[in-house]
Amino acid sequence: GDSVTQMEGPVTLSEEACLTINCTYTATGYPSLFWYVQYPGEGLQLLLKATKADDKGSNKGFEATYRKETTSFHLEKGSVQVSDSAVYFCALSDSGYALNFGKGTSLLVTP
Amino acid sequence: NAGVTQTPKFQVLKTGQSMTLQCAQDMNHEYMSWYRQDPGMGLRLIHYSVGAGITDQGEVPNGYNVSRSTTEDFPLRLLSAAPSQTSVYFCASRPGQGASYEQYFGPGTRLTVT
Repeated sequence: GDSVTQMEGPVTLSEEACLTINCTYTATGYPSLFWYVQYPGEGLQLLLKATKADDKGSNKGFEATYRKETTSFHLEKGSVQVSDSAVYFCALSDSGYALNFGKGTSLLVTP
Repeated sequence: NAGVTQTPKFQVLKTGQSMTLQCAQDMNHEYMSWYRQDPGMGLRLIHYSVGAGITDQGEVPNGYNVSRSTTEDFPLRLLSAAPSQTSVYFCASRPGQGASYEQYFGPGTRLTVT
């Protein structure tokens, strides 16, 4: 079945450091790919998405490119801020009915 | 629009008690779903619905019931609570076929079963 694997955290970075969170997937079809973010005590918010190969999703300085050849959707940001501290989830949807999530990566950015 | 709303925000139950977690959306979305979030496990799908009167099981359906009598509401029922059901529960919705697969999440219900 479909599955998502993302790097385990926690990840601790200093403010203005570069961020990469790795995400790879397994799917039988051509899924849509997502990154969701969960701030402390809150629900999940969509951060960015890509619906087909080579699409690049971007939002709030974060980017991820849908790489079909490597089945990857790595999240990147050039300069993180303290306010980016959160848990990040990679997810895919093949059927459209629901999402398959990775286990989440906790990010802590220190001043 | 209020989006996806969930009640209650917090709940403590004793083993064997029953309760219903409420979920409502005002975006006229066809698809709705319930997930549970456990530490180190990500979110796992419990049940989902593709329209009023139509529901199906997800990855972890045991111990939970759902029904969908209206487009707006999708309650999740715990028939006899167990400590293994201690979790944070999220409801989500999205438009139907032909729309983006993006899902919109509620704020969650934190359930503790003692």
